[in-house]
Amino acid sequence: NAGVTQTPKFRILKIGQSMTLQCAQDMNHNYMYWYRQDPGMGLKLIYYSVGAGITDKGEVPNGYNVSRSTTEDFPLRLELAAPSQTSVYFCASSYSDKDTEAFFGQGTRLTVV
Amino acid sequence: GENVEQHPSTLSVQEGDSAVIKCTYSDSASNYFPWYKQELGKGPQLIIDIRSNVGEKKDQRIAVTLNKTAKHFSLHITETQPEDSAVYFCAASTRMNTGFQKLVFGTGTRLLVSP
Repeated sequence: NAGVTQTPKFRILKIGQSMTLQCAQDMNHNYMYWYRQDPGMGLKLIYYSVGAGITDKGEVPNGYNVSRSTTEDFPLRLELAAPSQTSVYFCASSYSDKDTEAFFGQGTRLTVV
Repeated sequence: GENVEQHPSTLSVQEGDSAVIKCTYSDSASNYFPWYKQELGKGPQLIIDIRSNVGEKKDQRIAVTLNKTAKHFSLHITETQPEDSAVYFCAASTRMNTGFQKLVFGTGTRLLVSP
């Protein structure tokens, strides 16, 4: 049982480049999330999904896009990387959005130079 | 919007001592308060949570207390061990305009337990 798997673990991007952060879960969870973690700032919600085909913006969605074509996968797309997107990104999933445990991946450390 | 403040930002204790981390929240409608532990190079992992109809919850060496009137909740770790060293995040639930219930996280506490 792998839980939530994120790839890659590390990535360096040049300003203006694009990339996709991959996230997959094998727990059959309907709810999936993308967070970014900046030093001293806690976790901020970028996008979330309540099921296949349904996504919505979180607190800090600008500069990102997501899709949810299957229950298992929830990729995060950066179209034009900017230094402000340097951060650690975490994908998570949960059975519900109500009072239930969220399971996190190991994170992707992204540096934009 | 909802805000969660967490203190202290760093906490150093000797093995065997107790550690207390405190959080305050702003949304009086918040009803779910989880605590996550993040070890170096890993994602956060739930260690304990509490719902608004409960004032205290214990699980072995860890406990969480909730004061809804004052809008604060605390994590208590007793008999600390070196493996408790990590970053701890509190969170509070809040409802978005869409009806979706999201978590708002505190800024984290780095706990260091020295042998």
